[in-house]
Amino acid sequence: DAKTTQPPSMDCAEGRAANLPCNHSTISGNEYVYWYRQIHSQGPQYIIHGLKNNETNEMASLIITEDRKSSTLILPHATLRDTAVYYCIAWAGDSGGSNYKLTFGKGTLLTVNP
Amino acid sequence: GAVVSQHPSRVICKSGTSVKIECRSLDFQATTMFWYRQFPKQSLMLMATSNEGSKATYEQGVEKDKFLINHASLTLSTLTVTSAHPEDSSFYICSAGGLGADTQYFGPGTRLTVL
Repeated sequence: DAKTTQPPSMDCAEGRAANLPCNHSTISGNEYVYWYRQIHSQGPQYIIHGLKNNETNEMASLIITEDRKSSTLILPHATLRDTAVYYCIAWAGDSGGSNYKLTFGKGTLLTVNP
Repeated sequence: GAVVSQHPSRVICKSGTSVKIECRSLDFQATTMFWYRQFPKQSLMLMATSNEGSKATYEQGVEKDKFLINHASLTLSTLTVTSAHPEDSSFYICSAGGLGADTQYFGPGTRLTVL
């Protein structure tokens, strides 16, 4: 899996948009960009993933640059409950086999302030 | 998204005892389940991959005789920490994915404390 680079921490005001960057300059053509988050003392929660096109769901939007070397996760209206560690992972998923694994880096600790 | 449960959510045991943690996929069949360990202020570290009906694949440095994994059905995998010691105290998390799935879903985690 391609290595990703994220800032260790970010702050955001409640109600504002949170934009979390991720660099993945060595991403392979078959690797998706996945975002998970982990609230303190809980298991990771899937947020969103994409390959080339921008994606949006009820939780967030994912913007991927045209060269796919970086991406940004956008939480449009951050709340206090969005305070968590956010992980950006480049992952090929089930590449035809039955043995595939996610590799977690250190992520970004997003703190949403009142 | 799919739901994965773990039981128990937390367990405290004495040194030398064995502890079993269950991981269940509640609304889908998981051909592959993964077990992670997370120490305080650190990221998740993959311990092993279990495929239904076959032996688990352990990551380098993980003792297979100490961390026994069984994936007897498409909805259940168990992790048994044998002869637990205080250094095994950690947050254990499982995840599950189906064949051809494009996403892994995680359980809520089990906090193990060995006294």
